[in-house]
Amino acid sequence: DAGVIQSPRHEVTEMGQEVTLRCKPISGHNSLFWYRQTMMRGLELLIYFNNNVPIDDSGMPEDRFSAKMPNASFSTLKIQPSEPRDSAVYFCASSHRGFDTGELFFGEGSRLTVL
Amino acid sequence: QQQVKQSPQSLIVQKGGISIINCAYENTAFDYFPWYQQFPGKGPALLIAIRPDVSEKKEGRFTISFNKSAKQFSLHIMDSQPGDSATYFCAASPGGGADGLTFGKGTHLIIQP
Repeated sequence: DAGVIQSPRHEVTEMGQEVTLRCKPISGHNSLFWYRQTMMRGLELLIYFNNNVPIDDSGMPEDRFSAKMPNASFSTLKIQPSEPRDSAVYFCASSHRGFDTGELFFGEGSRLTVL
Repeated sequence: QQQVKQSPQSLIVQKGGISIINCAYENTAFDYFPWYQQFPGKGPALLIAIRPDVSEKKEGRFTISFNKSAKQFSLHIMDSQPGDSATYFCAASPGGGADGLTFGKGTHLIIQP
């Protein structure tokens, strides 16, 4: 079975450009999470959705960041305009809310470099 | 998000030795404590998890010890192998993890052959 699929795997862009990261969760999962990983701050939860509805976006750094989940099989994280401090690895994870384990299944991440 | 403090930041262990990583939390509402393992270029993957109704959970060479009164939990890797070299994250959550996890900052573990 396919796991969580993220694209692109690597993105290099210049400051001020728009960046869109994409995620396809595991089929049947009803919760989706976006995390950001940096050396300094570790793994930070940015936003999560349950049944395609944003539940908590308190981790989104600022208005330059936005996330959508138009359907159960697709989500995007957009940064506009991008800044060098946004350079990080962005992970998408999905889970089946209601299961006892609470296990998150992570994608392989999108490494973003903003010059 | 409530903080989860993890130590050490890095750890070097000889093959066959015991690797120990510690975490402490503050939020008494946390009721789910997983450990995730991450290899370079990959996303984190669940290794083992515990709930506060037990003080220890063992799966193969991996053991979680949990001290509810001290609000601490630890991961022990017995007979550590070079293949265990990875970054390990502790995490915690209320509600069984349904609303996402708060992660520690990670421990970079190197097992020397």
